[in-house]
Amino acid sequence: GEDVEQSLFLSVREGDSSVINCTYTDSSSTYLYWYKQEPGAGLQLLTYIFSNMDMKQDQRLTVLLNKKDKHLSLRIADTQTGDSAIYFCAESMGNYGQNFVFGPGTRLSVLP
Amino acid sequence: SQTIHQWPATLVQPVGSPLSLECTVEGTSNPNLYWYRQAAGRGLQLLFYSVGIGQISSEVPQNLSASRPQDRQFILSSKKLLLSDSGFYLCACRGLVSVSPLHFGNGTRLTVT
Repeated sequence: GEDVEQSLFLSVREGDSSVINCTYTDSSSTYLYWYKQEPGAGLQLLTYIFSNMDMKQDQRLTVLLNKKDKHLSLRIADTQTGDSAIYFCAESMGNYGQNFVFGPGTRLSVLP
Repeated sequence: SQTIHQWPATLVQPVGSPLSLECTVEGTSNPNLYWYRQAAGRGLQLLFYSVGIGQISSEVPQNLSASRPQDRQFILSSKKLLLSDSGFYLCACRGLVSVSPLHFGNGTRLTVT
């Protein structure tokens, strides 16, 4: 069945790199996404990767995809206090990519 | 780009009262529309999904309903709220091409007392 798993909590020091991990089960996923949710706000799309890619970099963000192991990670370089938030991994499936399955979210705390 | 408007931002309602949350979308036509609920400190639960006017798929049986009277309007309703309906309600939309991600509104915080 469809399932996306993430660790629930991560703490890092300001200036260090953060790595948030995600595993998914459906090998037919077309795209995989990372969203950020700040307190009291909706989800903001950070980045996404097509399932036939293995890496995507966008400024401080690096996404790595291991399709064989169904493992996705988000690396945030030089983590800042403003990066403190909940990060959701999601996969899209279906003929038109219309079905989304979200992980439970990882709460990232950045310590000064 | 798509913009999603949700209102109200916060709502406190007594048990047994009705509910109507509205979501409107700008910047796209014939989008897929979604209602999600997020309980405190929890992940997202898909409630309803719509591919067009009057077309609603319900993912979770409960006392909530959804309607799509216009292409870019999505309404979440209840005739009688329960305490368990408290949560953060998020409207989302996406375009029709396979690469389209979900875009979310700012959410409505509902507290049922």
